[in-house]
Amino acid sequence: AQSVTQLGSHVSVSEGALVLLRCNYSSSVPPYLFWYVQYPNQGLQLLLKYTSAATLVKGINGFEAEFKKSETSFHLTKPSAHMSDAAEYFCAVSEPEYGNKLVFGAGTILRVKS
Amino acid sequence: NAGVTQTPKFQVLKTGQSMTLQCAQDMNHEYMSWYRQDPGMGLRLIHYSVGAGITDQGEVPNGYNVSRSTTEDFPLRLLSAAPSQTSVYFCASRGQSSGNTIYFGEGSWLTVV
Repeated sequence: AQSVTQLGSHVSVSEGALVLLRCNYSSSVPPYLFWYVQYPNQGLQLLLKYTSAATLVKGINGFEAEFKKSETSFHLTKPSAHMSDAAEYFCAVSEPEYGNKLVFGAGTILRVKS
Repeated sequence: NAGVTQTPKFQVLKTGQSMTLQCAQDMNHEYMSWYRQDPGMGLRLIHYSVGAGITDQGEVPNGYNVSRSTTEDFPLRLLSAAPSQTSVYFCASRGQSSGNTIYFGEGSWLTVV
């Protein structure tokens, strides 16, 4: 069965600092992995996805994530945080054998301090 | 290019009332699903459909019904609303044209009093 664990329900960084949001997954087969961002009172927007091509995936707004099979991780990073990055971020996994249904982590709220 | 459209955006219900959350997509996607979002729990799958006439239960189906009479529409019905169903609901769709990417609607905020 698939599951996703996001370490840290709240992360706070200073503007200009590195953003690191952690995601670990469990899956019996190589999964598809996603990061979504949700701004207040809005829907979810896809940041990036891993689908078994390059292990380092670049997304929108300067974010990237690296798939590490040995660590079953898919951490999200951004070199320099902007105030506009403040939002909630969700990691998700899907597997073909489960009909590609998405299983979400609990989410991490990112706060950016000026 | 509407994408996934949900209505209503906000709704307040009394316990025991029924209502339907509407979801429509114009991308000819085969797969549609409903999630509920609760604080600290991420998004949990309620029901999903892999095509017209086919529906199946997700992680938290109790208290909800769905139908898929057309490719475009996937309504979610609450037959007798309970306070525990106070949540934000998201409809999503995916198709061959979108690969493995699921597209979400803007959400429906439901309060049951």
